[in-house]
Amino acid sequence: AQTVTQSQPEMSVQEAETVTLSCTYDTSESDYYLFWYKQPPSRQMILVIRQEAYKQQNATENRFSVNFQKAAKSFSLKISDSQLGDAAMYFCAYRSANTGNQFYFGTGTSLTVIP
Amino acid sequence: DTAVSQTPKYLVTQMGNDKSIKCEQNLGHDTMYWYKQDSKKFLKIMFSYNNKELIINETVPNRFSPKSPDKAHLNLHINSLELGDSAVYFCASSHHALAGGYNEQFFGPGTRLTVL
Repeated sequence: AQTVTQSQPEMSVQEAETVTLSCTYDTSESDYYLFWYKQPPSRQMILVIRQEAYKQQNATENRFSVNFQKAAKSFSLKISDSQLGDAAMYFCAYRSANTGNQFYFGTGTSLTVIP
Repeated sequence: DTAVSQTPKYLVTQMGNDKSIKCEQNLGHDTMYWYKQDSKKFLKIMFSYNNKELIINETVPNRFSPKSPDKAHLNLHINSLELGDSAVYFCASSHHALAGGYNEQFFGPGTRLTVL
C-alpha cells in the first residue's frame, strides 16, 4: 500500500509570512493524484489544492501553491501571506489514477498562525 | 446546497448501545467512504462502497456495519458501542477512480461520537 508521510506534526508562522508544509509519499505507480486538505477547528475537511502526477507545472490556488518533485516523491504546500484563517490541520493525500478508490492520507500538520 | 451531509453531528451514548450515523450526498458520485478520526487527528479509512457494493473493508470490528441502500446514501451502524469507539466519523464521496480526472473526495461535516 502507498504511504504518505508528513514529518512536521506542528508548524507555526507569523501572520503575513510564508510557510511550507512538507509531504512525501511512497509509490511504484507513475500516474496518480495528490491533494492537500485543510481541517480548521470547525472540523470540516476542505480541499485546498490538487496536482496530477503527469503535469510538471506546479498547481497554484491564490496564496496556496505546491512544489511537486516527482522523482523525489515530494509534494510540499506553500502558503504565502499567511492569514489567521489559515490556522488548521493540513493533510496531504494520495490517490492512484488507475487502481482502486482508496485515498491515502498523511498524519497531518497542525499550523498555527501568530498575529 | 449541502453536498455531503451527515446526521447527527453529535452523538453521546452509553457503552453497549447500538447507534447509526446517516450519510447522504447529492453530487452524483458513485463511491462513498467512512473514515474514523481519532483524538490525534489520524484519518483511518473504514469502508468504501461503489454503486452500493463494498470495495474497501479495512480491519474494522464487525460491530461496525455499513449499509448502502443506494449510491447516494451510506449509513454506518455500530453495535455494542465501546469507549474506544469515541471519535469523529467522516463520510466522504467521490467519482470512481476509473472515471478519469482528479476525483477528489468531498467530506461531510463529521459526526462526533462520545461513548460514556
